[in-house]
Amino acid sequence: EAGVAQSPRYKIIEKRQSVAFWCNPISGHATLYWYQQILGQGPKLLIQFQNNGVVDDSQLPKDRFSAERLKGVDSTLKIQPAKLEDSAVYLCASSYPQGGMSTEAFFGQGTRLTVV
Amino acid sequence: KQEVTQIPAALSVPEGENLVLNCSFTDSAIYNLQWFRQDPGKGLTSLLLIQSSQREQTSGRLNASLDKSSGRSTLYIAASQPGDSATYLCAVHTGRRALTFGSGTRLQVQP
Repeated sequence: EAGVAQSPRYKIIEKRQSVAFWCNPISGHATLYWYQQILGQGPKLLIQFQNNGVVDDSQLPKDRFSAERLKGVDSTLKIQPAKLEDSAVYLCASSYPQGGMSTEAFFGQGTRLTVV
Repeated sequence: KQEVTQIPAALSVPEGENLVLNCSFTDSAIYNLQWFRQDPGKGLTSLLLIQSSQREQTSGRLNASLDKSSGRSTLYIAASQPGDSATYLCAVHTGRRALTFGSGTRLQVQP
């Protein structure tokens, strides 16, 4: 079974530039998450999708971050404009909901973003 | 709001030791709890998933226990090896909500 795919693996941009990350979840997984992990901390949820609908985006900085999941499969996360504090690893995860509840989550390798 | 705490933040042990990593959470109304391993520069690898109705799960040298009423979980690693060196993260699912993570325990096993 193929895992969660993310690209690119690494990205270096200057502040105020824009950047986009892509995620392809495990086939059949309706729930998709984007997490931000700052060095030395645990991952923090940015946004959760159920199919192509948003379940939770309460911690997404909407003035600069946006995410979409068209057709309920692939997802993209965009940052525009980037700030120095956005330097982090961006993790995508997916899970198969059972009875409306999220089950075991599987993570991709992440995208390491450095803003200079 | 769910908060997850992991103790200790870092741990260094000689090879062969048995060790225990601790995780506590503030809201006991969880659906399940997952333990993950993260190697430097890599994503998260799921180690064990414990459903709220379960008390423990085992996989090889790993054993995770869950005491939902007291808001605690432990990850026991038997006969530690240098290859076990990594950061171990505990995370809880609360129903439809996403996982809430602790800050992790950074483990180093000395050969």
